[in-house]
Amino acid sequence: SQQGEEDPQALSIQEGENATMNCSYKTSINNLQWYRQNSGRGLVHLILIRSNEREKHSGRLRVTLDTSKKSSSLLITASRAADTASYFCALIYGNNRLAFGKGNQVVVIP
Amino acid sequence: DAEITQSPRHKITETGRQVTLACHQTWNHNNMFWYRQDLGHGLRLIHYSYGVQDTNKGEVSDGYSVSRSNTEDLPLTLESAASSQTSVYFCASSPSGGQNTGELFFGEGSRLTVL
Repeated sequence: SQQGEEDPQALSIQEGENATMNCSYKTSINNLQWYRQNSGRGLVHLILIRSNEREKHSGRLRVTLDTSKKSSSLLITASRAADTASYFCALIYGNNRLAFGKGNQVVVIP
Repeated sequence: DAEITQSPRHKITETGRQVTLACHQTWNHNNMFWYRQDLGHGLRLIHYSYGVQDTNKGEVSDGYSVSRSNTEDLPLTLESAASSQTSVYFCASSPSGGQNTGELFFGEGSRLTVL
């Protein structure tokens, strides 16, 4: 399967805390992407990390990639209520097709 | 601003009826995709297209068809709707060639209920 698998699948935290979620996969990759989905909306691309990168930052987001363990993590620092959403990792396979994990549901309590 | 729009956003239909979900993008992207999203399954690829007149089956294509007559549109047709096709459908697009990193741009989704 080309899918990534997120862990934990559900996470509830207090505003201001950090949220960490993980994605494991089985195949070799060129890049791994993270997307956010707010309730009732489409997915929005957050960040892409290439296979030759180990860490990447974007605002309050930090993504790491360990290709030896076939895993990635997404850290959201200083979480806000607006970060309440589902987060998906996605792997590219074939010709520009993306396979998505089942998602992490994150609830940030004000 | 360029965008990708889906219509209708919500539809209720009956088993056996033909349904078409529209997807229109103004990004001028060659690549377009249809996914369905169901609890416990995440997003699964239905059909995709890399350009005009090109269509390909994804992992859950049975009961669905697409056509690509121009760059902007990729309508998804359910030939004979079944209750198992009740789902939220997402259209997405991406550029091809050197600009392509695999990042997808998603529409807001179409919620389909088949009774």
